[in-house]
Amino acid sequence: EVQLVQSGAEVKKPGESLRISCKGSGYSFINYWITWVRQMPGRGLEWMGTIDPNDSYTNYSPSFEDHVSISYDESISAVYLQWNSLEASDTAMYFCAKVHRRPFYFDYWGQGTLVTVSS
Amino acid sequence: DIQMTQSPSSLSASVGDRVTITCRASLNISNYLHWYQQKPGKAPKLLIYSVSTLQSGVPSRFSGSGSGTDFALTISSLQPEDFATYYCQLTYGAPCTFGQGTKLEIK
Repeated sequence: EVQLVQSGAEVKKPGESLRISCKGSGYSFINYWITWVRQMPGRGLEWMGTIDPNDSYTNYSPSFEDHVSISYDESISAVYLQWNSLEASDTAMYFCAKVHRRPFYFDYWGQGTLVTVSS
Repeated sequence: DIQMTQSPSSLSASVGDRVTITCRASLNISNYLHWYQQKPGKAPKLLIYSVSTLQSGVPSRFSGSGSGTDFALTISSLQPEDFATYYCQLTYGAPCTFGQGTKLEIK
């Protein structure tokens, strides 16, 4: 069974750094892209960026590329989403998802990680 | 970037009704159009990919149609568990784009 399991909820202050994780199982993790999607409270879905675990190539939405980074740890089959300096507007639910090959739909999703940024 | 317009933004319907949600792209996107269902507090779930292919395990009352720039998700006979928010998604080129969402509520 394909599963993506995300790290738990986080409460942070503005300016702090954060890394959340997404671990896959039940399939060949290295052979499928992983993507991150943001959902702000009461709002829709926004694509943030994608990583190819095979070579760690990343592709970011212009809306996010200057504020977050996505990385891969081969040793534990995990993908990370990282912020160096959080802002209150980063308060949201973040989902990771497995990307099926062309035409690139998101076939399996993690359960979501709630990030709250508040002073 | 390709623009996506999903409508309506909300919809009230009754159990047993037939409902249709539409998405329009600003240019021809071939089969790079997919549909998701999201219930409150849950991750989105893939319903239909490549315009009209039902994801495994999704009930046959869900169907997708369209071509070029105009696409639709139809639920033939609403069930109580179908009341949720639905999103279309475009994966043609970058960035990937989601529609604004349609909240389907019980009348």
